[in-house]
Amino acid sequence: QKEVEQDPGPLSVPEGAIVSLNCTYSNSAFQYFMWYRQYSRKGPELLMYTYSSGNKEDGRFTAQVDKSSKYISLFIRDSQPSDSATYLCAMSEGNGGSQGNLIFGKGTKLSVKP
Amino acid sequence: KAGVTQTPRYLIKTRGQQVTLSCSPISGHRSVSWYQQTPGQGLQFLFEYFSETQRNKGNFPGRFSGRQFSNSRSEMNVSTLELGDSALYLCASRTAGRGDTEAFFGQGTRLTVV
Repeated sequence: QKEVEQDPGPLSVPEGAIVSLNCTYSNSAFQYFMWYRQYSRKGPELLMYTYSSGNKEDGRFTAQVDKSSKYISLFIRDSQPSDSATYLCAMSEGNGGSQGNLIFGKGTKLSVKP
Repeated sequence: KAGVTQTPRYLIKTRGQQVTLSCSPISGHRSVSWYQQTPGQGLQFLFEYFSETQRNKGNFPGRFSGRQFSNSRSEMNVSTLELGDSALYLCASRTAGRGDTEAFFGQGTRLTVV
C-alpha cells in the first residue's frame, strides 16, 4: 500500500460545478497537508496548506483534513475552465529534518468544460 | 518577489553522460528540496539541503547527488545517465523556519536521456 493514494481520474465536469478531490494516507504521523495545482509543462503551484485536522477556505477553494479517517479533500466551487489542471495532494510529518520531504499523491487530472 | 528559478528548462543528454541542474530559491529561503516527476511514479523526493548540508535523502541511487552553496542556491548532479532518468526535475524552496513546510516549486528542468 502506498503512503498516499489519490484517484488519477481523469475527472470531467461542466463549468460551474462543485469539484471534490480526495486523498487517503496511511502514515498517522503526517501533520501538514497541502494541495498543489499543476498545469501542463509547469511546476506545481501551492493552493492550500493546512496543519492538522480541520477546514480551511480560500476563495472558491476549501481544504478539509480528517486525521481520524486519514482522509483529506479539496473542494472547488463554481469551477472554471481555467481550473483544468492536475491536482496533487502532498503531506509531511513536519518534524525536524523530515519537513522538507513531501509525500505526494499521483495527482488527479481535472477538466472543466465550458 | 522572484520565484524559484531552475535552469536549464530543457536538456537532452546521451546515456552514460552526466548532467548538472541548478536551482535558485526564493530570496530568504534556506531550504531547497529536489524531486523527480515521472508519469509512472509521480513526484518522488530526492533530497533536501539546508544551510549547505544534506538534511534528508530519498530512496535514489548514489548517481544522484546535490549540493548547496552559501547563498542557498543548489545544484543537482546525475552521473552515468540511464534512459529511466528521463523526467521532470523540480526543486522547491522553503524558509525552513520553525514548523514551516510551505514549499514553493520552480518550473522544473525536463531531462531527456537518449
